[in-house]
Amino acid sequence: EPEVTQTPSHQVTQMGQEVILRCVPISNHLYFYWYRQILGQKVEFLVSFYNNEISEKSEIFDDQFSVERPDGSNFTLKIRSTKLEDSAMYFCASSVSRGRTDTQYFGPGTRLTVL
Amino acid sequence: KNEVEQSPQNLTAQEGEFITINCSYSVGISALHWLQQHPGGGIVSLFMLSSGKKKHGRLIATINIQEKHSSLHITASHPRDSAVYICAVHNTDKLIFGTGTRLQVFP
Repeated sequence: EPEVTQTPSHQVTQMGQEVILRCVPISNHLYFYWYRQILGQKVEFLVSFYNNEISEKSEIFDDQFSVERPDGSNFTLKIRSTKLEDSAMYFCASSVSRGRTDTQYFGPGTRLTVL
Repeated sequence: KNEVEQSPQNLTAQEGEFITINCSYSVGISALHWLQQHPGGGIVSLFMLSSGKKKHGRLIATINIQEKHSSLHITASHPRDSAVYICAVHNTDKLIFGTGTRLQVFP
């Protein structure tokens, strides 16, 4: 069964460094998402992406964050200058379509630790 | 105030018990999801529903759109059902998540 994959599974970085989290969505999916979950808290929406554009973003997704689909398979989340509070599990998800007919399929997550 | 509220936050049960987890929401939605998150962190979609009731094995999910309420039921619970169960509502492009219900089923 097709699945969403994410690399790396765990990333440790120093505060102020740039990180890129990578995701390979399911191949026929058109909508892509990033969510994050700070330890012990609920999952929060960061951004949705469709047709090479951001379609919606949350207040969390500020200028330090960017997303890109550099080729036909990868979907990346970049954090330009990491802060301690960026430490979280980051989940990528993808779906065929949006709205009421849509199921989002989640990747296994990347645990980001900022020291 | 959270847009998606779940209850209870924690739930323990003996194997074989019938379990109910509740979800209430305050925003407009196009669909509601029930998700399962295991200790390793991975999230699996259990159900997506926009009306009525769905059943998959021992799991049943219902939604009442007028009352903005959904329930997840587990019949004949088993220790392998131990996980965090999360209600999330589909609002525009994004999912809005509840805080989750941590379920532990003991043999």
